[in-house]
Amino acid sequence: GQNIDQPTEMTATEGAIVQINCTYQTSGFNGLFWYQQHAGEAPTFLSYNVLDGLEEKGRFSSFLSRSKGYSYLLLKELQMKDSASYLCAVSGNYGQNFVFGPGTRLSVLP
Amino acid sequence: AAGVIQSPRHLIKEKRETATLKCYPIPRHDTVYWYQQGPGQDPQFLISFYEKMQSDKGSIPDRFSAQQFSDYHSELNMSSLELGDSALYFCASSLAGTSGGTYNEQFFGPGTRLTVL
Repeated sequence: GQNIDQPTEMTATEGAIVQINCTYQTSGFNGLFWYQQHAGEAPTFLSYNVLDGLEEKGRFSSFLSRSKGYSYLLLKELQMKDSASYLCAVSGNYGQNFVFGPGTRLSVLP
Repeated sequence: AAGVIQSPRHLIKEKRETATLKCYPIPRHDTVYWYQQGPGQDPQFLISFYEKMQSDKGSIPDRFSAQQFSDYHSELNMSSLELGDSALYFCASSLAGTSGGTYNEQFFGPGTRLTVL
């Protein structure tokens, strides 16, 4: 079976740093993706990890530990526009569909 | 750059009616995925196609069917609509690729919001 878990909601202050965790148990693993989704809009790609370690991309970084089935998304210098849902998605095998986590709704306060 | 196109963007139907949603993937993308996202929920995978053949099947009801055509566009056909089918339906496309260093990032379309009354 496949199971992905994320915190439901998080709140942070503008300019701060926030870490959103994701744990997963899947049959097969071909990478973990983070997507941002604003309400009523399509998910947009943020990052991809397939090997252990940290991937940095501007204000966003993502970390993966395959042995622990764990990833996190790190958002720095938070801006109001970062208020959105952040979806962790695992690709089981190459070319296959994503299994999405429940998403973490992040609210950035002034 | 061209993105995934979905039509219609909004659709209102009554119970027991049928609906057809269309998806036009990014040019040269060979894989299409359909997802259903209910209010406050994460996207749930329905079905996918690779090179016009069904490649994977998720939680798609028997009342739904889909296909991918020779021009790579895909259609999701929904019959005997129920109130619970009201949701956002996303289509995503990707390029499968074969070599290391590539990954099947999925690009999502804007979605079709289906409301069943």
